[in-house]
Amino acid sequence: ILNVEQSPQSLHVQEGDSTNFTCSFPSSNFYALHWYRWETAKSPEALFVMTLNGDEKKKGRISATLNTKEGYSYLYIKGSQPEDSATYLCAFSSTTSGTYKYIFGTGTRLKVLA
Amino acid sequence: NAGVMQNPRHLVRRRGQEARLRCSPMKGHSHVYWYRQLPEEGLKFMVYLQKENIIDESGMPKERFSAEFPKEGPSILRIQQVVRGDSAAYFCASSPRAMNTEAFFGQGTRLTVV
Repeated sequence: ILNVEQSPQSLHVQEGDSTNFTCSFPSSNFYALHWYRWETAKSPEALFVMTLNGDEKKKGRISATLNTKEGYSYLYIKGSQPEDSATYLCAFSSTTSGTYKYIFGTGTRLKVLA
Repeated sequence: NAGVMQNPRHLVRRRGQEARLRCSPMKGHSHVYWYRQLPEEGLKFMVYLQKENIIDESGMPKERFSAEFPKEGPSILRIQQVVRGDSAAYFCASSPRAMNTEAFFGQGTRLTVV
């Protein structure tokens, strides 16, 4: 059974704090790891797609790393702002015999307090 | 370039009726994915389709649920004889090719069964 786990489930930080979340996924049949940001009442918005072990991606104050051998990815937010408040989802895609599976974690809910 | 369009945004059905949810992918995208978000839960994969083909339906309930992505027109998720437990937000996403690229999500259809 393919399972994607995210931790922590929720997080409150003060404005200006830096924070990070973890996404754990199966290390076999890896295809890609995706991070999404999901604000309330909106649809998930893609942040990063990573495919290679050791990948690091950055977008503004947000960055992500990938370790496919041990099956984890970290998302970092530097200097959190109230507008960063959202649920951060990771999704793991794998391929077996040409069939793709795309499994989401349940997300980390971030609340940044002003 | 319009984003992923889902309609209707809200759908109310009585128990036993049929629900039809539509998803028009972004222009040039031939891969469509349907997800369900039950209350207080994360996104759960339902089905992955390419034009005229179901690639992976491992997340679809065996009965009452079906999906299609015809050569022309939107992808349709059909739920027959709806029950209260089908009440959820249904999201679709599209990508230009298999899932090592960004997927773009629609705004979702919120189904309420009364």
